[in-house]
Amino acid sequence: QKEVEQDPGPLSVPEGAIVSLNCTYSNSAFQYFMWYRQYSRKGPELLMYTYSSGNKEDGRFTAQVDKSSKYISLFIRDSQPSDSATYLCAIDNAGKSTFGDGTTLTVKP
Amino acid sequence: EAGVVQSPRYKIIEKKQPVAFWCNPISGHNTLYWYRQNLGQGPELLIRYENEEAVDDSQLPKDRFSAERLKGVDSTLKIQPAELGDSAVYLCASSYQAWEMNTEAFFGQGTRLTVV
Repeated sequence: QKEVEQDPGPLSVPEGAIVSLNCTYSNSAFQYFMWYRQYSRKGPELLMYTYSSGNKEDGRFTAQVDKSSKYISLFIRDSQPSDSATYLCAIDNAGKSTFGDGTTLTVKP
Repeated sequence: EAGVVQSPRYKIIEKKQPVAFWCNPISGHNTLYWYRQNLGQGPELLIRYENEEAVDDSQLPKDRFSAERLKGVDSTLKIQPAELGDSAVYLCASSYQAWEMNTEAFFGQGTRLTVV
């Protein structure tokens, strides 16, 4: 079993939809929880990170962590075609990040 | 400010040949990572450097892979000899003082290796 499991895609939604991306993890020692966005043929770029249970909001993006369930989510409100990319969850312990396999999102105009 | 720079962007080689990738991290970043990303998967850490020291190379296949980070700045990752299964994107990332707190890792665009 992988340490980080991410809901497989792909996801295709119409513009303006709310998108939910999810991951589970197995190691309770994980301390930091991150979401990366990766456009085709580019390196991942950090979208958001948090280290506590609860919600963290940044514009149209909300990261949610539930440490008791070892579950993390990323919500995208009012999705735009420019949000089309692969989203990777990553969980960090002592400087070592473990990534999920990514969910590819397509937002159709 | 320039981001993480990797070269080459693409490389096609025959199996059993050697190949090397180069990474120039963001100025001032003392932590450097090499990741391998297979198609449809997330990046997997190969090696992490704190300055010149490799502090985590547990996932590096040491029979054919080697890495160095001379003077704690640029780094090279080498494969010799390459195998078909090494075809992947090799990503370099850098960050500042990863051991004290979580800090953002910045990724380069990667080197896409195809072994034929």
